[in-house]
Amino acid sequence: DAGVIQSPRHEVTEMGQEVTLRCKPISGHNSLFWYRQTMMRGLELLIYFNNNVPIDDSGMPEDRFSAKMPNASFSTLKIQPSEPRDSAVYFCATGSRGGFYNEQFFGPGTRLTVL
Amino acid sequence: QQQVKQSPQSLIVQKGGISIINCAYENTAFDYFPWYQQFPGKGPALLIAIRPDVSEKKEGRFTISFNKSAKQFSLHIMDSQPGDSATYFCAARESASKIIFGSGTRLSIRP
Repeated sequence: DAGVIQSPRHEVTEMGQEVTLRCKPISGHNSLFWYRQTMMRGLELLIYFNNNVPIDDSGMPEDRFSAKMPNASFSTLKIQPSEPRDSAVYFCATGSRGGFYNEQFFGPGTRLTVL
Repeated sequence: QQQVKQSPQSLIVQKGGISIINCAYENTAFDYFPWYQQFPGKGPALLIAIRPDVSEKKEGRFTISFNKSAKQFSLHIMDSQPGDSATYFCAARESASKIIFGSGTRLSIRP
């Protein structure tokens, strides 16, 4: 199994540009999570999906952020317009809902730099 | 509001020593407490986890101690090795899917 796949691994963009981060979950996993990691705020949950349906988006910082999961094998996190304070590492994680030990498997992350 | 409080923020331990990271929580509805380990440039990965009806869980050199009445739990790394140098996150499960992470502890093991 290839694990959670994220693309791109690195993104450098200018303020005001649209940024789209992509995630391919592990096959069979029905929960998907988007996290943001910064030195100041640590690991923050932005949004999560169960069976492709958004369940909790209370962590999305503002309307500039949006996430979609059109099918079980693909999700996107979009920032439009981007700002320098959005610079962070964005992780996608997936898991199997059900059973007691619902481990989350993290992807390698996308390092976003907004100039 | 930080639901899972973790300390220390950073920790330096000599090789062979014991590393101890502490966490505290308030929500008594949390029902599962995992620890994640993150190496530079990688995503976090599950290290070890415990249920609140168990006071201790040991896997190799890693042990979780859990005090339900005090709402505290800790990770002990025995015989710490340079390869253990990483950032460690405690966490607590809030619902069937949602896990709340602590702020992380950057551990450095000195050779």
